[in-house]
Amino acid sequence: AQSVSQHNHHVILSEAASLELGCNYSYGGTVNLFWYVQYPGQHLQLLLKYFSGDPLVKGIKGFEAEFIKSKFSFNLRKPSVQWSDTAEYFCAVPSGGGADGLTFGKGTHLIIQP
Amino acid sequence: NAGVTQTPKFRVLKTGQSMTLLCAQDMNHEYMYWYRQDPGMGLRLIHYSVGEGTTAKGEVPDGYNVSRLKKQNFLLGLESAAPSQTSVYFCASSIPGYTGELFFGEGSRLTVL
Repeated sequence: AQSVSQHNHHVILSEAASLELGCNYSYGGTVNLFWYVQYPGQHLQLLLKYFSGDPLVKGIKGFEAEFIKSKFSFNLRKPSVQWSDTAEYFCAVPSGGGADGLTFGKGTHLIIQP
Repeated sequence: NAGVTQTPKFRVLKTGQSMTLLCAQDMNHEYMYWYRQDPGMGLRLIHYSVGEGTTAKGEVPDGYNVSRLKKQNFLLGLESAAPSQTSVYFCASSIPGYTGELFFGEGSRLTVL
């Protein structure tokens, strides 16, 4: 089964700062990678995903992530964060490649200070 | 579009009580999941179902039971609640062919005293 680790559990930034959240996954064959976001009091929603092709994927709200196979990484980036980006961010990989859902990282709690 | 709907949204139980969380999806998805979310632990899979009448254990199934009698519904039961089951529970669904994208409900916050 695949696993995923997120390096930063709590990140505090000021508005307009650049963001990079780390995510590393264990090797497990075909790699599908996801970032989900959970705004305060809300459910998780998909931010972006990588299945194949261009390793730089763009998601909603100006987020992007780069798949670097040699580093087993899929870091999330945003050039200039906003106060509304305050949320919890989860990296995820398919658990076993079948129907048994996604394995999530422990999450990064991002706080953007105005 | 309702998507994935969970009821109830909040519940407080005493140790030893039982309850059922209901998840309903209107997207005709085959696969459904129950996760629990705890601080610093991320989301952990409790049980899942690949279709009506089928269920399977996830990472943390102990103390929970599930049923999928209808395709659109996935029930999570706690027979004898324990304080360790205090958590936020999320239901999710996805289509077969497994792209891995999950559609989540808004969560059910359960407190066991």
